[in-house]
Amino acid sequence: KQEVTQIPAALSVPEGENLVLNCSFTDSAIYNLQWFRQDPGKGLTSLLLIQSSQREQTSGRLNASLDKSSGRSTLYIAASQPGDSATYLCAAYSNYQLIWGAGTKLIIKP
Amino acid sequence: NAGVTQTPKFQVLKTGQSMTLQCAQDMNHEYMSWYRQDPGMGLRLIHYSVGAGITDQGEVPNGYNVSRSTTEDFPLRLLSAAPSQTSVYFCASSHGTNNEQFFGPGTRLTVL
Repeated sequence: KQEVTQIPAALSVPEGENLVLNCSFTDSAIYNLQWFRQDPGKGLTSLLLIQSSQREQTSGRLNASLDKSSGRSTLYIAASQPGDSATYLCAAYSNYQLIWGAGTKLIIKP
Repeated sequence: NAGVTQTPKFQVLKTGQSMTLQCAQDMNHEYMSWYRQDPGMGLRLIHYSVGAGITDQGEVPNGYNVSRSTTEDFPLRLLSAAPSQTSVYFCASSHGTNNEQFFGPGTRLTVL
């Protein structure tokens, strides 16, 4: 059974720092992996989708990588800003389902 | 395109009441699904459908019913609401089962 884990559950860093969020999955037989952002009380905003044949995707200050062999994905955020404060969720497409991590709550201190 | 729409946005029920959460998409997607999100947890799959007339259970189907009579609509029914069903519910759709899913804005349900 696929399980997705995100560590740490919460992270607080000063504005301007580069940071990495981690996502691990137990079954390497995934189709795609997607990163989302969720603001408090709000819906889901898709950030990046990495297809199983890809190793990384970039959008602006965000870069997501995928290493199926090690069961890991990372989301790199460059030059963090207070507006990046949110919960970041990763989800693995596995066997007709999206399997979700519990998220990392990110706080960027001005 | 409106994408994936959900109604209502908020709902308060009493224990034992029934209701239907509505979900519609205008992208002609075959695959639709319902998730619930509880505090401190990732989303969990309730039910999904790979096309009109076809539905299947996800990880947490108990207490919920679904049907898929058209490609566009995928309602979620709570027959007898329980406090444990207090949650935020998201509907999603995609072309195919393992392609990018598009999410609705969510329904925040409270059962007293």
